[in-house]
Amino acid sequence: QVQLQESGPGLVKSSETLSLTCTVSGGLNSDYYWGWIRQSPGKGVEWIGCIHYSGITYYNPSLESRVTISKDTSKNQYSLKMTSVTTADTAVYYCARERRDGTNWVDSWGQGTQVTVSS
Amino acid sequence: DIVMTQSPLSLPVTPGEPASISCRSSQSLLYSNGYNYVNWYLQRPGQSPQLLVYLTSNRASGVPDRFSGSGSGTDFTLKISRVEAEDVGVYYCMQPLQIPWTFGQGTKVEIK
Repeated sequence: QVQLQESGPGLVKSSETLSLTCTVSGGLNSDYYWGWIRQSPGKGVEWIGCIHYSGITYYNPSLESRVTISKDTSKNQYSLKMTSVTTADTAVYYCARERRDGTNWVDSWGQGTQVTVSS
Repeated sequence: DIVMTQSPLSLPVTPGEPASISCRSSQSLLYSNGYNYVNWYLQRPGQSPQLLVYLTSNRASGVPDRFSGSGSGTDFTLKISRVEAEDVGVYYCMQPLQIPWTFGQGTKVEIK
């Protein structure tokens, strides 16, 4: 069973860049997309974006101007960078595995990491 | 974006009794392949969400058969035939048809 583990700073200052990394047991399988989802009391559950083994990326249009997802297959990792953060970006951030082959689902989630943006 | 609207937002339930959660989408989730693209997730307290149902009515691996999904177009339902104590948590519907994938607000199920 795949395991995903988020890592990164839990506190980021407003206007700075949020950076998180997800380490995937077993590697970045090309059958899946590797995504980021966040959850906050104010916005609920929000899909951020994802990346495929091939490098194809999809982003939430509402965040696309500030978000970059990249991967390092040699380390079994992929990363999220979000620039110019505000307090509205405070949330629990999950890395998650997505299937986009017609079934379309998120079937595995990391445990989540709390990121707080301080003003 | 496709808006997913769930009801009720809170659902007190009695163990052994049935329960039902509704989800309505702002656009049809019926794709040209005949499938309706709605998934259901359960987030138990302190845990990450887990997939219960995909493509409206298909139970994910390991999900008990007391869970069933139905619906078409813009109206969908998740039913629990007999609620058990382990079913408490927040249930989310989600549409994976159109980017961005979007989630409902969540329905909190708790034992009476």
